Amino acid sequence: EPEVTQTPSHQVTQMGQEVILRCVPISNHLYFYWYRQILGQKVEFLVSFYNNEISEKSEIFDDQFSVERPDGSNFTLKIRSTKLEDSAMYFCASSGGRLGNTIYFGEGSWLTVV
Amino acid sequence: QKEVEQNSGPLSVPEGAIASLNCTYSDRGSQSFFWYRQYSGKSPELIMSIYSNGDKEDGRFTAQLNKASQYVSLLIRDSQPSDSATYLCAKNAGNNRKLIWGLGTSLAVNP
Repeated sequence: EPEVTQTPSHQVTQMGQEVILRCVPISNHLYFYWYRQILGQKVEFLVSFYNNEISEKSEIFDDQFSVERPDGSNFTLKIRSTKLEDSAMYFCASSGGRLGNTIYFGEGSWLTVV
Repeated sequence: QKEVEQNSGPLSVPEGAIASLNCTYSDRGSQSFFWYRQYSGKSPELIMSIYSNGDKEDGRFTAQLNKASQYVSLLIRDSQPSDSATYLCAKNAGNNRKLIWGLGTSLAVNP
């Protein structure tokens, strides 16, 4: 069964450092997403990406965040200068072309900022 | 008002019983609803999606949607200890593809 894969599974970084989280969405999907979940809190939408551009972003997704699809398979989330409050599980997800299509999640990348 | 609300629980049921999980939402324009299961430290895993009023059954799971009352529920029949997890209710609305999530209900199935 096709799946969304994410790397790394866990990363510890110092405050102020740049972090890149990588994702390979399901191959025939057209919409890509990043969500995050701070420990004990609800899952929060960060950004959606379609046709090589951001289609929607949340208030959380400020100038410190960026996304890129550098080739036909990878989808990355970059945090330019990490803060302690960026510590969370970051989930990449993808969905097909129809509205309401199921969104499939990767296993997540734990980011710990110290 | 929160967009998606769930009772955080924990909900505790004995093995073999029916577990009933509820979710309410605030936006009448919401069209698609999803139940995800999340084990501790893991990613959400889709259990059911429902788009129309009424019931939708899949194995031991039944999702129920009532758009007039703005609630969606999930019934788990013959609950198993392996069903112990947090159940997340999510919705998307209109043309938005993003999911809006509830905090989740923690379910414990006791052997």
